[in-house]
This record gives sequence, C-alpha cells and structure tokens, in this order.
Amino acid sequence: AQSVTQLGSHVSVSEGALVLLRCNYSSSVPPYLFWYVQYPNQGLQLLLKYTTGATLVKGINGFEAEFKKSETSFHLTKPSAHMSDAAEYFCAVTLLDSNYQLIWGAGTKLIIKP
Amino acid sequence: NAGVMQNPRHLVRRRGQEARLRCSPMKGHSHVYWYRQLPEEGLKFMVYLQKENIIDESGMPKERFSAEFPKEGPSILRIQQVVRGDSAAYFCASSPLDSADTQYFGPGTRLTVL
Repeated sequence: AQSVTQLGSHVSVSEGALVLLRCNYSSSVPPYLFWYVQYPNQGLQLLLKYTTGATLVKGINGFEAEFKKSETSFHLTKPSAHMSDAAEYFCAVTLLDSNYQLIWGAGTKLIIKP
Repeated sequence: NAGVMQNPRHLVRRRGQEARLRCSPMKGHSHVYWYRQLPEEGLKFMVYLQKENIIDESGMPKERFSAEFPKEGPSILRIQQVVRGDSAAYFCASSPLDSADTQYFGPGTRLTVL
C-alpha cells in the first residue's frame, strides 16, 4: 500500500535559519505531490504542489520543494524561518490511478525559536 | 469569496448518540471530500461526493457512517451511535469541477465522544 513518511513529528529551528521538512513516499509511479500547512484552529492551506514538469516547485510564503524521483522524496525548504511559519505541515500524494484521493503523512510541527 | 465552511467547529456527544457534521463548499465548487484525522496521525480519505452522488466511499467505515451532498444545502457527514473511537477531527474539502487534485479545506470539526 502507498504511504507517506514525514521524518520528525516536531522540528525546531531558530528564526532566520533554514527550514527543512522531510517527506518520502512509496510508489512505483510518481504521483502528484503536495505540501499543506495548518495554522492553529484553521483548515489546511495548500502551500505548493508538483504534478509534472520542473522538479523544483515554488509555493507561497517563500517555501519551495524539490521532487527527486530517485530518492522518492519531496522535501520542503525555506531559506530563512519567520515566527509566522510556526504551524503544522503535511505532505500528501495522490493515490495511484486517482487524482483526488490523497494519502497523507502524519504531519510535522514546525517550532520557531526567537 | 468565502472559503469552505464547516460547523460545528467542536461537537461533544455521548456514546450511542448521533453526530451530524456540515460542510459548505466554496462557491462554484461541485466536489466535496471528507477526511478524518485521528490523534497523532495524518488525514485519512473517507468519501468523495458530487451533488446528489456518492462518487467514492471506499474510505468510509461500513457501518454507522453515511454522507450526502444534496442538491440544495451543505454536505452532511452523519455518524450514528457514536463510540469513543470516533473521536477525531473531521475535515471537509472542496474542489472545482476541472481540478479535483487541488482541494481547499475547511477548518474541521473536532468530535469528542464521552
């Protein structure tokens, strides 16, 4: 069965430091890949997605992610963390043969230290 | 343009009662999806609906759970005879007709079963 693994349920970085949130998926065929962010008491907001084409995808709020097929990874990065980035981040992929059914990682809580 | 609306935001039920969760999609969206998030886990797909049609309910438990999206009014996720294990956050998402892979999420309903 397909799965998504997010390494680290909590990641803590200092304000201004690099943010790196890891996501690996298991699939024999490259799926569509997504990163969502959830701020406290709010719904999930799409940060970015990869479907086809350029493997480096830029999203909102200065985030980007790179699809690496050989590593089955889709890690999320931001060069310089801001206090407002504190939230929970979810990686998701589409189920094979489906463009709507998403398989989700367990989420990573990003903590920003002043 | 209002986002996806869900109500109630918090719902407390005693074992054996019924829970009704409502979801109003974004204006112009004709597809609705329901997901469940158990504590410390990622979201799990439950059901995909269009107006008056259940397209995919492969993620719905076989008993006690039902969903509908009537011609008029919100989508309803109904859980009969709730048990403690139903305690979770239930998220609704919607998408436009031509972009099922881009889903916009509501803030969720947090169901607590006492």
